Amino acid sequence: TQLLEQSPQFLSIQEGENLTVYCNSSSVFSSLQWYRQEPGEGPVLLVTVVTGGEVKKLKRLTFQFGDARKDSSLHITAAQPGDTGLYLCALRPGGSYIPTFGRGTSLIVHP
Amino acid sequence: EPEVTQTPSHQVTQMGQEVILRCVPISNHLYFYWYRQILGQKVEFLVSFYNNEISEKSEIFDDQFSVERPDGSNFTLKIRSTKLEDSAMYFCASTLRSSGNTIYFGEGSWLTVV
Repeated sequence: TQLLEQSPQFLSIQEGENLTVYCNSSSVFSSLQWYRQEPGEGPVLLVTVVTGGEVKKLKRLTFQFGDARKDSSLHITAAQPGDTGLYLCALRPGGSYIPTFGRGTSLIVHP
Repeated sequence: EPEVTQTPSHQVTQMGQEVILRCVPISNHLYFYWYRQILGQKVEFLVSFYNNEISEKSEIFDDQFSVERPDGSNFTLKIRSTKLEDSAMYFCASTLRSSGNTIYFGEGSWLTVV
């Protein structure tokens, strides 16, 4: 069973700060997705990374897939209160197209 | 933008009662899912449904649970005899194809079993 670990579990920062959250797996995965979940809502897909070493940018968010395809990071530049939410990584276990989620990093950005 | 809609948004039920949670997936999507999230815990996969049958299910999805697509639009999750530990947010999701497509989640149905 692939295990997904996300860190940190909680993060509370001031507006304008930069931050990085991490997602690590016990084994290699073919692709990884990052989602954001706001309170009382379902997860919303942000990005899918597939290739080892791949970097994708979404405005102030930078997603990186580790070379060995066992880890990924999400970096947010100049965080804003609207970035507040639960950031989830998810992978698809071998033979399945169904995302399996990590526990998430709960981010609060204070104005 | 098309969205997955779920009803009810919140339901309180007595332990042992049957509950049906309803979902309207995005209209041209073919694959449907139920996930749950117990308060403070991670989003957990329950079941996937394609072509009017279950395609995958997790260990959580035991005989107390069932899914159905009674007509062309609704996708339901039934819990036959609810337990306290079934209290959770239940998310419905859908996607056009199983691979390479975005999965769209509904806003969830919050179930409280008392």
